[in-house]
Amino acid sequence: DAKTTQPPSMDCAEGRAANLPCNHSTISGNEYVYWYRQIHSQGPQYIIHGLKNNETNEMASLIITEDRKSSTLILPHATLRDTAVYYCIVFPQPSNTGKLIFGQGTTLQVKP
Amino acid sequence: NAGVTQTPKFQVLKTGQSMTLQCAQDMNHEYMSWYRQDPGMGLRLIHYSVGAGITDQGEVPNGYNVSRSTTEDFPLRLLSAAPSQTSVYFCASSYTPWQPQHFGDGTRLSIL
Repeated sequence: DAKTTQPPSMDCAEGRAANLPCNHSTISGNEYVYWYRQIHSQGPQYIIHGLKNNETNEMASLIITEDRKSSTLILPHATLRDTAVYYCIVFPQPSNTGKLIFGQGTTLQVKP
Repeated sequence: NAGVTQTPKFQVLKTGQSMTLQCAQDMNHEYMSWYRQDPGMGLRLIHYSVGAGITDQGEVPNGYNVSRSTTEDFPLRLLSAAPSQTSVYFCASSYTPWQPQHFGDGTRLSIL
């Protein structure tokens, strides 16, 4: 019962910015937008999260629209090691269960 | 920097056998959880714990037991393995249920 919609796959050229969209039109006021990724055969890795303001860290930037119904994860200079499945997750704070609802995600293929 | 350590990495069982999947973290996280990931599907929450001595059921708890006697360890027990439990199992931890979670690299379990 994922509350987000993502394109199933995207390609990106190495060195270019990768922009991964996510739709979360039913997001509630206390729900944050989280992004995780899963590189093949590894556990999910946390990337970034935000409520309503744009966020940036050493890995990526997160742009959330003013109405909070959609967001974009930006990897500024994609490398081959960024090839992975990217999951956009809406997650309430606080949460009693910590349950992350992983949908199908977007498979990002970074090409040389 | 060990993070979340899962053992074993691979295991093959026969139907009806029992085993324990180990999960340990060295970050003094109070919250720990177990997920399973079946082919082509997202992760589903099995059990979680908000601290030593406290556990609760997630989305798919049937066939699995957990206990949390220490902050560091959160083992997952299969009492009588069934082929439907063939999956990749991931353990995760965080300071609180709503903070970013750190995942282990998984245990790949096959039940014949």
